[in-house]
Parts: sequence; C-alpha cells; structure tokens
Amino acid sequence: DVKVTQSSRYLVKRTGEKVFLECVQDMDHENMFWYRQDPGLGLRLIYFSYDVKMKEKGDIPEGYSVSREKKERFSLILESASTNQTSMYLCASSSLAGKVYNEQFFGPGTRLTVL
Amino acid sequence: DQQVKQNSPSLSVQEGRISILNCDYTNSMFDYFLWYKKYPAEGPTFLISISSIKDKNEDGRFTVFLNKSAKHLSLHIVPSQPGDSAVYFCAASALGTGTASKLTFGTGTRLQVTL
Repeated sequence: DVKVTQSSRYLVKRTGEKVFLECVQDMDHENMFWYRQDPGLGLRLIYFSYDVKMKEKGDIPEGYSVSREKKERFSLILESASTNQTSMYLCASSSLAGKVYNEQFFGPGTRLTVL
Repeated sequence: DQQVKQNSPSLSVQEGRISILNCDYTNSMFDYFLWYKKYPAEGPTFLISISSIKDKNEDGRFTVFLNKSAKHLSLHIVPSQPGDSAVYFCAASALGTGTASKLTFGTGTRLQVTL
C-alpha cells in the first residue's frame, strides 16, 4: 500500500513565524503535490514537483515555497506565517506508471492554525 | 476562475436509495476525471475515474457518467450506505499539462446518508 505521511496532524503557530510542513512518501513516486483545503473552496494546488529539485507553481503559490532535495520528501515552507494561511494542508504523490492514470495518493493532512 | 464546479455543497439521502453527485467543468481540454472521497481528519482517497473516450464507468455500487457535450459528470451510488457519508470531490486533468499530471479539484459535496 502506498503511504504518504505528514509530519504533524495539528500545528499552531504565531503570525510571522517560519513554518515547515514535511511530507514523505514510500512508493518511489515521481510527482508530489501540496494543496490546501478550505470550506467552500475545495482543494487548491499550492506547488508541485515532478522530480528532485524541480518545482512548479500551482494555483495559489503566494506566501509559500517548497523544497524537494530527495525523491521521497517534499517540504512546504511558509516564510512568514499569516492568519489567512490557517487551513488544512494536504500532501499527495503520484506515479506516471500508476495503474490508474493520474491517481494521487494523499496524506492525512496537517491542520495549521496561525494566531 | 473555478474550472471544476460542484454546485451542491451538501446532499442528504436515505439509506438504500440512490445518491447522485454532480460536477461541471469549463475547460474543454480536460480528458480524464476522477472522484475522491474524504472523511473528516483523513486525506482524500480515490474512488473511481473515467476517461473522455468513455461515457460510463462502473465499479460495484459506484458508477460515473460523463457527458462531454454538456461538460458534465455525475457519480451515482446505489444503494447508498451510512458509511458513504463523506465529502466527495470531483477532479479533472488534461493531457499535456506537463509531467506532473496536475488535477483540478471541485469544491466538494458533503453527502449524508441517513438511516
């Protein structure tokens, strides 16, 4: 079974803090994604990566950066957290060789609260 | 601009009856569609998918219908069970969006199956 793990289930940070969200997948997937989920807005793509050290902006990259130094790990960084970044953050991975085209496997999510 | 829309934020259905969840899209380049199910405090899990070369795909109690001319897809669950109570997201992708196989998600529909 594919497993995607996220470093924290719940996180509380203060405005202006630097925040790191870590995601690890164990299936040697090429692609990794970071989303945020907000009520009424669904899942919105922040950043994605299709290879080590490669990254591309998603639909809402402002205020975020990412790092992918190893294939299995994809980090989301909030350089200076703000209250409007309070959200559920979901990491996902996928493989080009998957049996279902484009199926993404998700981690359990990190509920981030910025005070 | 919301390219994938789920206009019903919530739906309540009696156990044993049919649940129909709807999804509309605007991007004519989308050619592959997926449905995900999400329980609270968990990441979304893949449910069923359909390619644009088909108009129907069935997997047990779940059937997805695609009407390309109307840019509309629907998920039918028959019979509905209490364990189906969750948030359902439709997602779409297009060949040629790059190697990362991006998905564009809808806003979700919360299904409640009552006894």
